[in-house]
Amino acid sequence: DTGVSQDPRHKITKRGQNVTFRCDPISEHNRLYWYRQTLGQGPEFLTYFQNEAQLEKSRLLSDRFSAERPKGSFSTLEIQRTEQGDSAMYLCASSSILRGNNSPLHFGNGTRLTVT
Amino acid sequence: DQQVKQNSPSLSVQEGRISILNCDYTNSMFDYFLWYKKYPAEGPTFLISISSIKDKNEDGRFTVFLNKSAKHLSLHIVPSQPGDSAVYFCATRIQGAQKLVFGQGTRLTINP
Repeated sequence: DTGVSQDPRHKITKRGQNVTFRCDPISEHNRLYWYRQTLGQGPEFLTYFQNEAQLEKSRLLSDRFSAERPKGSFSTLEIQRTEQGDSAMYLCASSSILRGNNSPLHFGNGTRLTVT
Repeated sequence: DQQVKQNSPSLSVQEGRISILNCDYTNSMFDYFLWYKKYPAEGPTFLISISSIKDKNEDGRFTVFLNKSAKHLSLHIVPSQPGDSAVYFCATRIQGAQKLVFGQGTRLTINP
């Protein structure tokens, strides 16, 4: 179990630029989640994949945000035309359906995005 | 619309004593509850969980209590240790859903 890996750890970008983050889940986990956390708040759900299918998206995920998991393994989260309000920690998590519906999520260490 | 609330932003406890972290929720459809611990610059780490069919679950120094009638969840840590200093989040999920809803977190500081 090598854990959930996220890249990059930090990203500073100028407003209006596009950014892409990558998440590599725990290898046998078929569920993958993206969350966003801002200062003083708990993580907020963005979207969730089971294998390559995106099964749920939050209303928080505006049309500038897109997530993919093309082969059911790693996932990318792209933010187009970044805004200062997008500055946050973006967390990826994974879990295994084989351990039942109540299998806890395992989180990566996140990508901290700063939009200047 | 905050469905899960942790009303204490911070808590300070002496080493060796009991730490009690609290969480309140509003939606009676929540049926699975978890506690996560977060150190700076790391992602949240799963601690302990409880299903709505139970009122207590214990794992070593950590015990989670669920009071469904009061819609209240608590985490007891005893004895508290310096390594327990972290931010603690409660989280919950509606039956059949995968999305977790988190509270705002409580920063626990254990003083030697």
